[in-house]
Amino acid sequence: KQEVTQIPAALSVPEGENLVLNCSFTDSAIYNLQWFRQDPGKGLTSLLLIQSSQREQTSGRLNASLDKSSGRSTLYIAASQPGDSATYLCAANNQAGTALIFGKGTTLSVSS
Amino acid sequence: NAGVTQTPKFQVLKTGQSMTLQCAQDMNHEYMSWYRQDPGMGLRLIHYSVGAGITDQGEVPNGYNVSRSTTEDFPLRLLSAAPSQTSVYFCASSQDRRAGKNIQYFGAGTRLSVL
Repeated sequence: KQEVTQIPAALSVPEGENLVLNCSFTDSAIYNLQWFRQDPGKGLTSLLLIQSSQREQTSGRLNASLDKSSGRSTLYIAASQPGDSATYLCAANNQAGTALIFGKGTTLSVSS
Repeated sequence: NAGVTQTPKFQVLKTGQSMTLQCAQDMNHEYMSWYRQDPGMGLRLIHYSVGAGITDQGEVPNGYNVSRSTTEDFPLRLLSAAPSQTSVYFCASSQDRRAGKNIQYFGAGTRLSVL
């Protein structure tokens, strides 16, 4: 059964810091690994999708890596800004490909 | 391009009432799903569909019904609301019928309170 875990649950940093969010998954038979952002009271927005054959995916100040063999993904945020404050969730499919399983998220607070 | 549209945004029900949460997507996606999000529990899958006429249960299906008569619409029905169904409900869709194969798009959510 696919299980997705995110560490830490919460993170507070001053503006300008580089930071790393961690995601681990138990079943490596994944199509892709997806990272989402959720602002308070809002829906989820897709940030990055890393295909299982890829090692990295970049979008602006965001860089996500994937190591299928160890069941880990990281989301690197460079030069953090107050506007980055949100909850970040990662997700991977279950073995049957019928569901996307989510971690509980990391809530990031960037202070100015 | 509207994406995934959910209605209503907010709803208050009394125990035992019934209602339908609406979800529509205009991207011709095959896969659609309903999640509920609760504090400390994260997102949990209620039901999903891999195409018109095909639905199946997720992790927490009890108390909910779904149908998918068209590619675009995937309504979620609460037959007899209970306080335990107080939650935020999200509808999502993706192009491929295999979950996780493509980017998953989410609606803005429905915030439901059952008194």
